[in-house]
Amino acid sequence: NAGVTQTPKFQVLKTGQSMTLQCAQDMNHNSMYWYRQDPGMGLRLIYYSASEGTTDKGEVPNGYNVSRLNKREFSLRLESAAPSQTSVYFCASGLRYNEQFFGPGTRLTVL
Amino acid sequence: SQQGEEDPQALSIQEGENATMNCSYKTSINNLQWYRQNSGRGLVHLILIRSNEREKHSGRLRVTLDTSKKSSSLLITASRAADTASYFCATDRGGSNYKLTFGKGTLLTVNP
Repeated sequence: NAGVTQTPKFQVLKTGQSMTLQCAQDMNHNSMYWYRQDPGMGLRLIYYSASEGTTDKGEVPNGYNVSRLNKREFSLRLESAAPSQTSVYFCASGLRYNEQFFGPGTRLTVL
Repeated sequence: SQQGEEDPQALSIQEGENATMNCSYKTSINNLQWYRQNSGRGLVHLILIRSNEREKHSGRLRVTLDTSKKSSSLLITASRAADTASYFCATDRGGSNYKLTFGKGTLLTVNP
């Protein structure tokens, strides 16, 4: 099992460009999550999907959109990137109230 | 807003010593979890303690939970250089809310 995979691993964007971060899990989990991690801030939840077909905002959703494509895949889209979105992005999946499994992260720099 | 706050922010110890990290939270919880993050990697789940439990063990890890004080502690015994990582607590509030709220973490350095 690959667990949770994320692509790309690194990305540099210019202000105003758009991109989609991809996430897939092979553990048959219902719930999937997108977090961002900034120095000194811990992890903050951007969006989550409790089950296929549903998505909900987390703590910091502004500037992002998500798509739960199927049970395995959950993508995060930046429509018009801003320097404030420079961060490390983590995707995670899990079963309700239990442990979450994290991907390796995407390091995004917006110039 | 962060639910959990770890203390201390950074901790440096010698190999073989015990390391204790604390987590405080603000509202009632359903479960509390601890995660480890090695530099440049994703988080890895260590242990989960439910709100009706007071103590839990897993190998060299011991977690306590005091719901009256809204706090938890993670003890790593006989630390090793490989334990060097950031440690985060995370809470959920149960109900229809599937979200975890993470603290800002404790950076543990174990010197050989």
